[in-house]
Amino acid sequence: GAVVSQHPSRVICKSGTSVKIECRSLDFQATTMFWYRQFPKKSLMLMATSNEGSKATYEQGVEKDKFLINHASLTLSTLTVTSAHPEDSSFYICSARDLGQGDSDTQYFGPGTRLTVL
Amino acid sequence: GQNIDQPTEMTATEGAIVQINCTYQTSGFNGLFWYQQHAGEAPTFLSYNVLDGLEEKGRFSSFLSRSKGYSYLLLKELQMKDSASYLCAVADSNYQLIWGAGTKLIIKP
Repeated sequence: GAVVSQHPSRVICKSGTSVKIECRSLDFQATTMFWYRQFPKKSLMLMATSNEGSKATYEQGVEKDKFLINHASLTLSTLTVTSAHPEDSSFYICSARDLGQGDSDTQYFGPGTRLTVL
Repeated sequence: GQNIDQPTEMTATEGAIVQINCTYQTSGFNGLFWYQQHAGEAPTFLSYNVLDGLEEKGRFSSFLSRSKGYSYLLLKELQMKDSASYLCAVADSNYQLIWGAGTKLIIKP
């Protein structure tokens, strides 16, 4: 089946530093990847849609200058949390759409990255 | 507006059957997904329905009625490992997923 990886799985950083999270589709090409954030006991919150070769589309309320997204290739998207603050601590999950699955248009999720900002 | 409704929490007994319902109102419809999420982990894909009817995959089945804006996930022969949150999501006209808040399923021995 389609596999999506994320790296790192956990990261702890100091306030004010930047953190980069990678999302890779390992066995399929993904023209579109999604970045989610999940708060405890709440559903996933879509942050942005990342399209290969173009600028990401951010959801309302998500600061594009703080959460930098780069979709450099058909298998890699990165999310950089710039000048991280403790309130950015969360579980960040990416997903990739496998268009090769015909009409199913299924999203496959990465395992998530737990960010803790001290 | 767009809305996905599912029960917040359900409790069932090991070995039994449980049905988790999901109703939706969205701008356009390009399929409905069910995901399972264990605490602290990312969701894993369970099923996808885009046509009316029942899709069966082992112990799990998913049903869709587009005219009623309704779906359910049916879990049979419940096991303790099935204790998790079950997320219903609908792909709207732009293929963007609209998520329900999830149903926490508690399995008791």
